[in-house]
Amino acid sequence: GDSVTQMEGPVTLSEEAFLTINCTYTATGYPSLFWYVQYPGEGLQLLLKATKADDKGSNKGFEATYRKETTSFHLEKGSVQVSDSAVYFCALDNDYKLSFGAGTTVTVRA
Amino acid sequence: GAVVSQHPSWVICKSGTSVKIECRSLDFQATTMFWYRQFPKQSLMLMATSNEGSKATYEQGVEKDKFLINHASLTLSTLTVTSAHPEDSSFYICSAEPQGDNEQFFGPGTRLTVL
Repeated sequence: GDSVTQMEGPVTLSEEAFLTINCTYTATGYPSLFWYVQYPGEGLQLLLKATKADDKGSNKGFEATYRKETTSFHLEKGSVQVSDSAVYFCALDNDYKLSFGAGTTVTVRA
Repeated sequence: GAVVSQHPSWVICKSGTSVKIECRSLDFQATTMFWYRQFPKQSLMLMATSNEGSKATYEQGVEKDKFLINHASLTLSTLTVTSAHPEDSSFYICSAEPQGDNEQFFGPGTRLTVL
């Protein structure tokens, strides 16, 4: 079946540091790929997505590129802020069902 | 826009009792709602897909008689955990899909603890 594997956390960074969260997937066909973010006390929010190979999703300074050859969708941000502290989930949509990774908790210190 | 609420946000109950969790789309109509379950440090697992006016579709391994889902209107779906036991303790999350859109909007989740 479909599955998503993302790097374990927690990840603690200083402000303005570079953030990478690795995500790889296993799926049949051609899934769409997503990153969701969950801020404390809130529901998951879509951060960015990519629907086909080589697409780059971007939002709020975050980027991720759909790499079919490596079945990866790594999330990056060049300079994080304290407000980026949250839990980040990688997910894929295959046949209109979302499969999630376990989530990575990111804490950014001032 | 696209806000989804859940009620209650947390609940503690005794073993053997039933608990109802509500999921509401506050500013849009949702033909489809989804129910997920999340264990600590694990990913969200889809339990069932709920379509307004029809029976829910349950994922493999999810007991439909244990987890009753009712999607009575375009803005409300409920999940009832019947005869709850400690192993049902978990974080339950719903999402809603607006009509004509396949993006899911998530509720903040409900923490269920069964004593």
